[in-house]
Amino acid sequence: GDSVTQMEGPVTLSEEAFLTINCTYTATGYPSLFWYVQYPGEGLQLLLKATKADDKGSNKGFEATYRKETTSFHLEKGSVQVSDSAVYFCALSDREETSGSRLTFGEGTQLTVNP
Amino acid sequence: DTEVTQTPKHLVMGMTNKKSLKCEQHMGHRAMYWYKQKAKKPPELMFVYSYEKLSINESVPSRFSPECPNSSLLNLHLHALQPEDSALYLCASSQDLTNKNIQYFGAGTRLSVL
Repeated sequence: GDSVTQMEGPVTLSEEAFLTINCTYTATGYPSLFWYVQYPGEGLQLLLKATKADDKGSNKGFEATYRKETTSFHLEKGSVQVSDSAVYFCALSDREETSGSRLTFGEGTQLTVNP
Repeated sequence: DTEVTQTPKHLVMGMTNKKSLKCEQHMGHRAMYWYKQKAKKPPELMFVYSYEKLSINESVPSRFSPECPNSSLLNLHLHALQPEDSALYLCASSQDLTNKNIQYFGAGTRLSVL
């Protein structure tokens, strides 16, 4: 079945540091890939997405590129801020023949940014 | 507008109570979802509705009963819950069930079962 593996957290960085959160996936079809962010006490917000190989998703300074050859979708940001402190989930959506698409999530990576 | 609204935000209930969680979206989406999220874990899919019909039930205990009265509303009826059911319950919606569609999440209902 489909699966998503994220780098283990927690990750602690200083403000303005470079961020990478690794994400690799296993899927039988041609999945869409997503990064969701969850701030404390809130639901999940879509951060960015990519629907086919070599697509780059970007939003709020975050970027991720859909790499089919390495089955990866790593999240990067050049300069993190304290307000980026949150849990980040990598996810894929792959259509199933009998029951439609579902999201498969990674375990999540807790990011803390210190001033 | 990409808003999914969930009520209530917090709910405390005893094991003999009956309560309902509500979810509403006005984006014209035809797929709606219930997820359960425990602390420090990713959301776990419970139910999926497509065009107001139940499409997926992830072997959820019968003490959770979903209902989709129309295309904008999704309810989760709760009865005789156990303390281990305490969690954040998230609702989501998407345009339909194709894999290129984004799921939009509500802020969740934080449920405590005493």
